[in-house]
Amino acid sequence: KNEVEQSPQNLTAQEGEFITINCSYSVGISALHWLQQHPGGGIVSLFMLSSGKKKHGRLIATINIQEKHSSLHITASHPRDSAVYICAAMNYGGSQGNLIFGKGTKLSVKP
Amino acid sequence: KAGVTQTPRYLIKTRGQQVTLSCSPISGHRSVSWYQQTPGQGLQFLFEYFSETQRNKGNFPGRFSGRQFSNSRSEMNVSTLELGDSALYLCASSLIWGQGADGELFFGEGSRLTAL
Repeated sequence: KNEVEQSPQNLTAQEGEFITINCSYSVGISALHWLQQHPGGGIVSLFMLSSGKKKHGRLIATINIQEKHSSLHITASHPRDSAVYICAAMNYGGSQGNLIFGKGTKLSVKP
Repeated sequence: KAGVTQTPRYLIKTRGQQVTLSCSPISGHRSVSWYQQTPGQGLQFLFEYFSETQRNKGNFPGRFSGRQFSNSRSEMNVSTLELGDSALYLCASSLIWGQGADGELFFGEGSRLTAL
């Protein structure tokens, strides 16, 4: 079992729909990252959170530390939101840190 | 403010050769981390440098190494290339690696390595 699991793997939505991407992790974390990757490879950091909820424009990220679960929500989705969304868990064990990535969710928003 | 710059963007090497990739971080960022992305394994953490010291390391063989210079620029080296090393190699810079108020990661565009 992967230490960071994302669902769904693929998601197709109509423009304007509300979208939720889920991330579950099995390791202790000090932070959880949500990243966006467009075709061509460039990665943009969307959120970094260790508790609660963050909002930026139409994007909202939440995390439940007790349940080891985080969600990324996109309100009023738009075709330009089409990308791969990746969650990553920052895990520190002793003096060594590791950033463990989920496999990503490929989102396609149709006009 | 200039972003993270990676060079070269594309390279083709032969199995057994050595390759060096470069990453120039955002000015003022002292942490540089490296990642490998393949279709099969996805993104995996290689290592992280801060002030010229490797502080964190992922689970990769010793053929993968790196270093960081006093100006925070970093290089990553892969020796004795294998076909499976074909991947997109990404670096990211940050004030502090990945946690805390200053932990946001800023990624470069990546170096796409093809090993033949």
